[in-house]
Amino acid sequence: GEDVEQSLFLSVREGDSSVINCTYTDSSSTYLYWYKQEPGAGLQLLTYIFSNMDMKQDQRLTVLLNKKDKHLSLRIADTQTGDSAIYFCAEPHTGRRALTFGSGTRLQVQP
Amino acid sequence: DTAVSQTPKYLVTQMGNDKSIKCEQNLGHDTMYWYKQDSKKFLKIMFSYNNKELIINETVPNRFSPKSPDKAHLNLHINSLELGDSAVYFCASSQSSGEAFFGQGTRLTVV
Repeated sequence: GEDVEQSLFLSVREGDSSVINCTYTDSSSTYLYWYKQEPGAGLQLLTYIFSNMDMKQDQRLTVLLNKKDKHLSLRIADTQTGDSAIYFCAEPHTGRRALTFGSGTRLQVQP
Repeated sequence: DTAVSQTPKYLVTQMGNDKSIKCEQNLGHDTMYWYKQDSKKFLKIMFSYNNKELIINETVPNRFSPKSPDKAHLNLHINSLELGDSAVYFCASSQSSGEAFFGQGTRLTVV
C-alpha cells in the first residue's frame, strides 16, 4: 500500500517540545521529508533525512528514523507560536517521480 | 524571485465552466507536478511531467488535462467544472525525484 500515516492533531504549550510521528510504507525510500504548511500558504520543505541515517539535527529540529518499524518522527524543541502549522511527512516511491504525503498533523501552540 | 509560481491564487467559477491554472518554475528542474489538496488537507498527486513527458497520471477525471509547453511550465486545464472540483491545487517541481518545491496554491471554488 501507499498509505503514509500521521496523527491528525497535536496541541502543546509554548516552550515545550513537540513530537510529530509518521509511519511510512516503502522500505526502499532513499529520503524521507518533512514539510510545513502555514495557513493559506504552500508547502515548505522543512528538513529531510537520508535513509542510512538514524537521526538528523538541524537547530530546533530533530528527525529520528527507525527503518525497522518504518517510523519517522520530527521533534521541535522550544516550540513557538510561529510553529503552529500543518506538518506533512512524505516519501518517494520506487519507480515514481512523486512524493506521497501523509495526512498531515496540525500543530497548535498555545501561549 | 519566486521559484514556483502559479496563477491565479484564487478562482471562483460556476459549474460547467472551463478554466486553466498556470504554473512556472525558474529552478531549472526537470520534473513538475500537480497535486490536489482537499478540504481535509489531504494531498494527492494528480500528474507528473518529466522533461515535458507525462509520467504519472493518477486516477483523475479526464476533464483534467495537463499541458507542458516546455520544461519550465505545466498548466492544468479543467473542463466542465463540478462542485467536487473545489479544492486547493498545488504545482510543484523537483530535480528528478528529489525534494519538491511547491507553489503557493490556487484555491478553486466552484459554485
